[in-house]
Amino acid sequence: DSGVTQTPKHLITATGQRVTLRCSPRSGDLSVYWYQQSLDQGLQFLIHYYNGEERAKGNILERFSAQQFPDLHSELNLSSLELGDSALYFCASSVASGGYEQFFGPGTRLTVL
Amino acid sequence: GNSVTQMEGPVTLSEEAFLTINCTYTATGYPSLFWYVQYPGEGLQLLLKATKADDKGSNKGFEATYRKETTSFHLEKGSVQVSDSAVYFCALKGGSQGNLIFGKGTKLSVKP
Repeated sequence: DSGVTQTPKHLITATGQRVTLRCSPRSGDLSVYWYQQSLDQGLQFLIHYYNGEERAKGNILERFSAQQFPDLHSELNLSSLELGDSALYFCASSVASGGYEQFFGPGTRLTVL
Repeated sequence: GNSVTQMEGPVTLSEEAFLTINCTYTATGYPSLFWYVQYPGEGLQLLLKATKADDKGSNKGFEATYRKETTSFHLEKGSVQVSDSAVYFCALKGGSQGNLIFGKGTKLSVKP
């Protein structure tokens, strides 16, 4: 158990819908990273938050957004969903930015029908 | 830009066989290198890491050496077990903020 929790574990929805994925980092960790794992693209970095502020963006679509709240949990919002958004979404947390180890949550499996 | 290339799987081995999973990288500067493992239905776990050239990371019988001259970080284990069956990802730290850049992953199946 990494200490990172993600909810829900599974999510099934339809095209065009909007969903919110939640991540609670390990106690004391200030950084949250979001990654997408899909069959064709592999594991890709989406976005990084540190202590409530966005720090870096990767291959994140404009239909996707995220935020980190004062209690340090983070939410990833996916809207106007398409079939191709079906994937495993992981969050990872670390003490700070930079060279610190990232601890991964169990992931949320999103299926768009 | 930064990237990681690792050997395609799947790899199927018998118990006690020797394992090598190749990983090469392209990066500016001196990135930190990692191997992560993903067991079925679980998230990623850090297996080992190396932060500078010639460093050897090791854990649970797995080893990898950071080779700057060949830009490689190959994963090895002398004698695999059935419990090592998983997907292995090579990764590097991509930028100052610490996001990881992953290879495509290599699925390992170990047969008794």
